[in-house]
Amino acid sequence: DVKVTQSSRYLVKRTGEKVFLECVQDMDHENMFWYRQDPGLGLRLIYFSYDVKMKEKGDIPEGYSVSREKKERFSLILESASTNQTSMYLCASIKGTRSTDTQYFGPGTRLTVL
Amino acid sequence: GENVEQHPSTLSVQEGDSAVIKCTYSDSASNYFPWYKQELGKRPQLIIDIRSNVGEKKDQRIAVTLNKTAKHFSLHITETQPEDSAVYFCAASMLSTIGNQFYFGTGTSLTVIP
Repeated sequence: DVKVTQSSRYLVKRTGEKVFLECVQDMDHENMFWYRQDPGLGLRLIYFSYDVKMKEKGDIPEGYSVSREKKERFSLILESASTNQTSMYLCASIKGTRSTDTQYFGPGTRLTVL
Repeated sequence: GENVEQHPSTLSVQEGDSAVIKCTYSDSASNYFPWYKQELGKRPQLIIDIRSNVGEKKDQRIAVTLNKTAKHFSLHITETQPEDSAVYFCAASMLSTIGNQFYFGTGTSLTVIP
C-alpha cells in the first residue's frame, strides 16, 4: 500500500516567514509533485520532480521553490510567505515515467498566512 | 499545453438516480485519464481510470467512457448513495520529455440527497 505523508496537516504562518512543507513517499516512486488546491480552481501544479535533484516548474511556480535531495522526500519552500499563498497544498507521487502510472496523493497541508 | 475542462461544477441528485460528470481535453497526446474522489477533509483517491486504447471501463456502479475523436471523457455513477457525495476531479495525463504531466479539471461537487 502506497503511503504519501506530509509533515503537517495544518499550518499558520505570518507574512514574510519562510515556510517548509515536506512530503515523503515510501514506495520508491520516481516522480513527485506539489499542487495547490483552491475552490473553483481545482488542482494547480506548482513544481514536479522526476529524479533526485531534478525539478521542473509547473503552472504556478512564482513564490515557491522546491528541493529533492533524496528520492523519497520532496520539499516545497515558500521563501517569503504572502497572504495569497493561503491554500491547501497537496503532494503526490507516481512510480515511474510511464504516462499511465497512477498518481497517489498525500493528506494535504492547509496553510494559512496571516 | 493541455487544457482540461470539467462540467458541471456542482451536481445534486436524488439517492438512487444516476450522476454524469463530463470532461474535455485539448491535447491528443494525452493517453491516460484518471478520476479522483475527494471527500471533505481527505486526500483525492483514484476511483477509476481509462487508457486511450479503451473506450469504456466499468467497476460496479462506476463507469468511465472515452471518446478520443471528440476529446472528451465522462464519469457515470449509477444508483447513487449518500456516501457518493464528494468532489470529483478528472485528469488527463501524457508523457513528455521531462516526465509525466497531469492536468486536472476544476472539480465537480456532487451531493446525493437521501
